[in-house]
Amino acid sequence: GENVEQHPSTLSVQEGDSAVIKCTYSDSASNYFPWYKQELGKRPQLIIDIRSNVGEKKDQRIAVTLNKTAKHFSLHITETQPEDSAVYFCAASNGGGSNYKLTFGKGTLLTVNP
Amino acid sequence: KAGVTQTPRYLIKTRGQQVTLSCSPISGHRSVSWYQQTPGQGLQFLFEYFSETQRNKGNFPGRFSGRQFSNSRSEMNVSTLELGDSALYLCASSLEGRGGYTFGSGTRLTVV
Repeated sequence: GENVEQHPSTLSVQEGDSAVIKCTYSDSASNYFPWYKQELGKRPQLIIDIRSNVGEKKDQRIAVTLNKTAKHFSLHITETQPEDSAVYFCAASNGGGSNYKLTFGKGTLLTVNP
Repeated sequence: KAGVTQTPRYLIKTRGQQVTLSCSPISGHRSVSWYQQTPGQGLQFLFEYFSETQRNKGNFPGRFSGRQFSNSRSEMNVSTLELGDSALYLCASSLEGRGGYTFGSGTRLTVV
């Protein structure tokens, strides 16, 4: 089955700096890659996703890049703010096949220091 | 529009008991999936339902079961509770289970 590795497990940055979180996946059939943000005591919230027919996607300060050949994808947050502090999860899914599930990485605790 | 609603928010149960958790998906979403979240294991897939049919199941013992009703609402049941079942149980809804999953706030289950 699919295996998703996520690095780093913790990341501390200064406000205004950029943050990058990287994930690798094992199943070449995976074609849908979402990122979720989970604040303490709250539900995971979808912040951005990308499908395998796209190499990069941006939404304001957030971007995701995908390298299908290397089977890795990354989350980039620019101009970080204290409210970006949370746990971020990457996930992979074979959304077009018979999988119908998300396989998650272990999460990255991002701390943005004012 | 209303989000994914999970009830109850908190539960405390004793070992050996059974529990039923409920999930109401976003209106129009026909896929409901369930995940267990623990500090040690992270987010792990339990099962997914679409049009009242289970399409996929994760690596959990048979004590974990679920179902989906004709209005797409779903329930999961855990029988013979063990201490290790203490976790946050999250459900996620999606139009067809091919992406765009929205999570509910979860049910925090504590087994004592």
